[in-house]
Amino acid sequence: GAVVSQHPSRVICKSGTSVKIECRSLDFQATTMFWYRQFPKKSLMLMATSNEGSKATYEQGVEKDKFLINHASLTLSTLTVTSAHPEDSSFYICSARDRQGISQPQHFGDGTRLSIL
Amino acid sequence: AQSVTQLDSHVSVSEGTPVLLRCNYSSSYSPSLFWYVQHPNKGLQLLLKYTSAATLVKGINGFEAEFKKSETSFHLTKPSAHMSDAAEYFCVHSSTSGTYKYIFGTGTRLKVLA
Repeated sequence: GAVVSQHPSRVICKSGTSVKIECRSLDFQATTMFWYRQFPKKSLMLMATSNEGSKATYEQGVEKDKFLINHASLTLSTLTVTSAHPEDSSFYICSARDRQGISQPQHFGDGTRLSIL
Repeated sequence: AQSVTQLDSHVSVSEGTPVLLRCNYSSSYSPSLFWYVQHPNKGLQLLLKYTSAATLVKGINGFEAEFKKSETSFHLTKPSAHMSDAAEYFCVHSSTSGTYKYIFGTGTRLKVLA
Protein backbone atom coordinates (compact mmCIF):
# COMPACT_ATOMS: atom_id res chain seq x y z
CA GLY A 1 0.00 0.00 0.00
CA ALA A 2 0.76 3.73 0.04
CA VAL A 3 2.20 4.00 -3.45
CA VAL A 4 3.12 7.33 -4.99
CA SER A 5 3.65 7.38 -8.73
CA GLN A 6 5.55 10.11 -10.54
CA HIS A 7 5.59 10.74 -14.26
CA PRO A 8 7.64 11.17 -16.37
CA SER A 9 10.74 9.56 -14.93
CA ARG A 10 12.98 11.47 -17.26
CA VAL A 11 12.55 14.42 -19.57
CA ILE A 12 14.96 16.23 -21.83
CA CYS A 13 13.86 19.43 -23.48
CA LYS A 14 15.08 22.67 -24.96
CA SER A 15 15.57 25.87 -23.05
CA GLY A 16 12.38 27.94 -22.88
CA THR A 17 10.05 24.97 -22.81
CA SER A 18 7.56 24.41 -20.00
CA VAL A 19 7.57 20.97 -18.44
CA LYS A 20 4.83 19.35 -16.37
CA ILE A 21 5.52 16.62 -13.81
CA GLU A 22 2.70 14.57 -12.33
CA CYS A 23 2.52 13.06 -8.87
CA ARG A 24 -0.24 10.58 -8.10
CA SER A 25 -1.22 8.74 -4.96
CA LEU A 26 -2.37 5.39 -6.33
CA ASP A 27 -4.10 3.76 -3.38
CA PHE A 28 -4.88 6.59 -1.01
CA GLN A 29 -6.08 10.16 -0.95
CA ALA A 30 -3.69 12.95 -0.13
CA THR A 31 -4.82 16.43 0.87
CA THR A 32 -1.19 17.43 1.07
CA MET A 33 1.71 16.53 -1.20
CA PHE A 34 5.29 17.74 -1.08
CA TRP A 35 7.62 18.69 -3.90
CA TYR A 36 11.38 18.41 -3.47
CA ARG A 37 14.40 19.20 -5.56
CA GLN A 38 17.62 17.26 -5.22
CA PHE A 39 20.98 18.41 -6.52
CA PRO A 40 23.68 15.84 -7.30
CA LYS A 41 25.04 14.14 -4.20
CA LYS A 42 22.94 16.37 -1.98
CA SER A 43 19.98 15.96 0.31
CA LEU A 44 16.43 16.84 -0.63
CA MET A 45 15.32 20.44 -0.57
CA LEU A 46 11.63 21.13 0.02
CA MET A 47 10.30 23.44 -2.66
CA ALA A 48 6.63 23.64 -1.77
CA THR A 49 3.70 22.00 -0.07
CA SER A 50 0.81 21.28 -2.37
CA ASN A 51 -2.65 21.62 -0.85
CA GLU A 52 -5.71 20.09 -2.47
CA GLY A 53 -8.15 22.76 -3.56
CA SER A 54 -6.04 25.69 -2.49
CA LYS A 55 -2.80 27.47 -3.23
CA ALA A 56 0.52 25.79 -2.65
CA THR A 57 2.81 26.97 0.11
CA TYR A 58 6.26 27.75 -1.24
CA GLU A 59 9.50 27.67 0.70
CA GLN A 60 11.58 30.78 0.96
CA GLY A 61 13.60 31.42 -2.16
CA VAL A 62 11.45 29.30 -4.48
CA GLU A 63 9.94 31.26 -7.36
CA LYS A 64 6.21 30.75 -7.46
CA ASP A 65 5.92 31.86 -11.05
CA LYS A 66 8.69 29.54 -12.15
CA PHE A 67 7.40 26.45 -10.38
CA LEU A 68 3.63 26.27 -10.73
CA ILE A 69 1.86 23.73 -8.54
CA ASN A 70 -1.69 22.51 -9.00
CA HIS A 71 -3.44 20.05 -6.70
CA ALA A 72 -6.83 19.70 -8.31
CA SER A 73 -7.81 16.36 -6.83
CA LEU A 74 -7.05 14.22 -3.81
CA THR A 75 -4.83 11.93 -5.87
CA LEU A 76 -2.99 14.25 -8.23
CA SER A 77 -0.59 17.13 -7.88
CA THR A 78 1.36 18.63 -10.76
CA LEU A 79 4.53 20.70 -10.87
CA THR A 80 5.07 22.80 -13.98
CA VAL A 81 8.51 24.25 -14.56
CA THR A 82 7.78 27.27 -16.75
CA SER A 83 10.21 28.56 -19.35
CA ALA A 84 12.82 26.10 -18.16
CA HIS A 85 16.50 26.95 -18.40
CA PRO A 86 19.62 24.82 -17.89
CA GLU A 87 19.85 25.89 -14.24
CA ASP A 88 16.48 24.23 -13.65
CA SER A 89 17.98 20.87 -14.52
CA SER A 90 17.67 18.68 -11.47
CA PHE A 91 16.01 15.67 -9.89
CA TYR A 92 12.47 16.47 -8.71
CA ILE A 93 10.71 14.21 -6.23
CA CYS A 94 7.21 14.30 -4.78
CA SER A 95 5.81 12.69 -1.66
CA ALA A 96 2.60 12.29 0.30
CA ARG A 97 1.29 10.81 3.51
CA ASP A 98 -1.50 8.25 3.48
CA ARG A 99 -2.40 9.18 7.04
CA GLN A 100 -2.24 12.46 8.89
CA GLY A 101 -0.04 13.01 11.88
CA ILE A 102 3.52 13.89 12.81
CA SER A 103 4.49 10.24 13.23
CA GLN A 104 3.21 9.16 9.83
CA PRO A 105 5.87 8.75 7.16
CA GLN A 106 5.89 10.41 3.77
CA HIS A 107 5.86 8.06 0.79
CA PHE A 108 7.98 9.15 -2.14
CA GLY A 109 7.66 8.87 -5.87
CA ASP A 110 10.56 7.62 -7.96
CA GLY A 111 11.51 11.11 -9.05
CA THR A 112 11.81 12.93 -12.37
CA ARG A 113 15.18 13.69 -13.91
CA LEU A 114 14.82 16.98 -15.77
CA SER A 115 17.51 17.98 -18.22
CA ILE A 116 17.28 21.32 -20.01
CA LEU A 117 19.52 21.74 -23.05
CA ALA B 1 15.36 24.39 16.73
CA GLN B 2 14.98 20.94 15.31
CA SER B 3 17.85 19.46 13.35
CA VAL B 4 19.33 16.22 12.19
CA THR B 5 23.04 15.49 11.86
CA GLN B 6 24.42 12.53 9.99
CA LEU B 7 27.95 12.20 11.20
CA ASP B 8 29.45 10.40 8.23
CA SER B 9 29.04 11.44 4.62
CA HIS B 10 30.57 8.16 3.41
CA VAL B 11 30.80 4.71 4.98
CA SER B 12 32.53 1.69 3.43
CA VAL B 13 32.08 -1.85 4.69
CA SER B 14 32.91 -5.27 3.35
CA GLU B 15 30.10 -7.57 2.33
CA GLY B 16 28.96 -9.66 5.28
CA THR B 17 30.23 -7.24 7.93
CA PRO B 18 28.07 -5.02 10.17
CA VAL B 19 26.77 -1.66 9.09
CA LEU B 20 26.52 1.38 11.36
CA LEU B 21 25.17 4.69 10.06
CA ARG B 22 25.06 7.42 12.65
CA CYS B 23 22.39 10.02 13.21
CA ASN B 24 21.96 12.59 15.95
CA TYR B 25 18.94 14.80 16.36
CA SER B 26 18.02 17.96 18.16
CA SER B 27 14.47 18.42 19.41
CA SER B 28 12.69 20.01 22.32
CA TYR B 29 9.95 17.41 22.30
CA SER B 30 9.57 13.70 21.68
CA PRO B 31 10.74 13.33 18.10
CA SER B 32 9.38 11.35 15.18
CA LEU B 33 12.38 9.96 13.35
CA PHE B 34 12.74 8.00 10.14
CA TRP B 35 15.42 6.33 8.08
CA TYR B 36 15.09 6.22 4.32
CA VAL B 37 17.22 4.65 1.60
CA GLN B 38 17.72 6.06 -1.87
CA HIS B 39 19.17 4.07 -4.74
CA PRO B 40 20.55 5.95 -7.75
CA ASN B 41 17.94 7.88 -9.72
CA LYS B 42 15.18 6.64 -7.47
CA GLY B 43 12.91 8.09 -4.82
CA LEU B 44 13.24 7.42 -1.12
CA GLN B 45 12.13 4.16 0.42
CA LEU B 46 11.16 4.00 4.09
CA LEU B 47 13.34 1.65 6.11
CA LEU B 48 11.88 2.25 9.55
CA LYS B 49 10.38 4.83 11.87
CA TYR B 50 10.54 5.73 15.54
CA THR B 51 7.40 7.01 17.17
CA SER B 52 8.03 6.41 20.92
CA ALA B 53 6.38 2.98 21.08
CA ALA B 54 9.71 1.16 21.40
CA THR B 55 13.30 2.32 21.48
CA LEU B 56 14.57 -0.51 19.28
CA VAL B 57 12.91 -0.34 15.91
CA LYS B 58 13.08 -3.09 13.34
CA GLY B 59 12.74 -2.21 9.69
CA ILE B 60 12.87 -3.80 6.31
CA ASN B 61 15.80 -5.67 4.78
CA GLY B 62 17.30 -6.53 8.17
CA PHE B 63 17.89 -2.95 9.29
CA GLU B 64 17.35 -1.79 12.86
CA ALA B 65 17.69 1.51 14.69
CA GLU B 66 17.90 2.28 18.38
CA PHE B 67 16.54 5.50 19.83
CA LYS B 68 18.70 6.78 22.69
CA LYS B 69 17.28 9.87 24.29
CA SER B 70 20.26 10.42 26.56
CA GLU B 71 22.56 10.53 23.53
CA THR B 72 20.00 12.16 21.18
CA SER B 73 20.87 9.48 18.68
CA PHE B 74 19.05 7.21 16.29
CA HIS B 75 21.76 5.12 14.62
CA LEU B 76 20.94 2.65 11.87
CA THR B 77 22.48 -0.82 11.96
CA LYS B 78 22.48 -4.06 10.05
CA PRO B 79 24.32 -7.19 11.17
CA SER B 80 25.56 -8.21 7.75
CA ALA B 81 25.91 -5.97 4.72
CA HIS B 82 24.81 -7.09 1.31
CA MET B 83 25.95 -5.67 -2.00
CA SER B 84 22.42 -4.45 -2.64
CA ASP B 85 22.63 -2.24 0.46
CA ALA B 86 24.95 0.16 -1.37
CA ALA B 87 22.93 3.38 -1.56
CA GLU B 88 22.35 6.78 0.06
CA TYR B 89 20.72 6.79 3.48
CA PHE B 90 18.85 9.69 5.02
CA CYS B 91 17.92 10.25 8.63
CA VAL B 92 14.80 12.39 8.85
CA HIS B 93 12.93 14.23 11.59
CA SER B 94 9.32 15.44 11.35
CA SER B 95 8.92 19.08 12.28
CA THR B 96 6.10 20.37 14.45
CA SER B 97 4.76 22.66 11.72
CA GLY B 98 1.19 22.26 10.56
CA THR B 99 2.08 19.98 7.66
CA TYR B 100 4.83 18.16 9.61
CA LYS B 101 7.49 18.94 7.06
CA TYR B 102 10.58 16.78 7.00
CA ILE B 103 13.95 17.90 8.26
CA PHE B 104 16.59 15.91 6.40
CA GLY B 105 20.07 14.92 7.37
CA THR B 106 22.74 15.45 4.75
CA GLY B 107 22.84 11.77 3.90
CA THR B 108 25.37 8.96 4.19
CA ARG B 109 26.58 7.10 1.16
CA LEU B 110 27.13 3.44 1.96
CA LYS B 111 29.60 1.53 -0.14
CA VAL B 112 29.75 -2.25 0.14
CA LEU B 113 32.97 -3.91 -0.92
CA ALA B 114 33.04 -7.41 -2.31
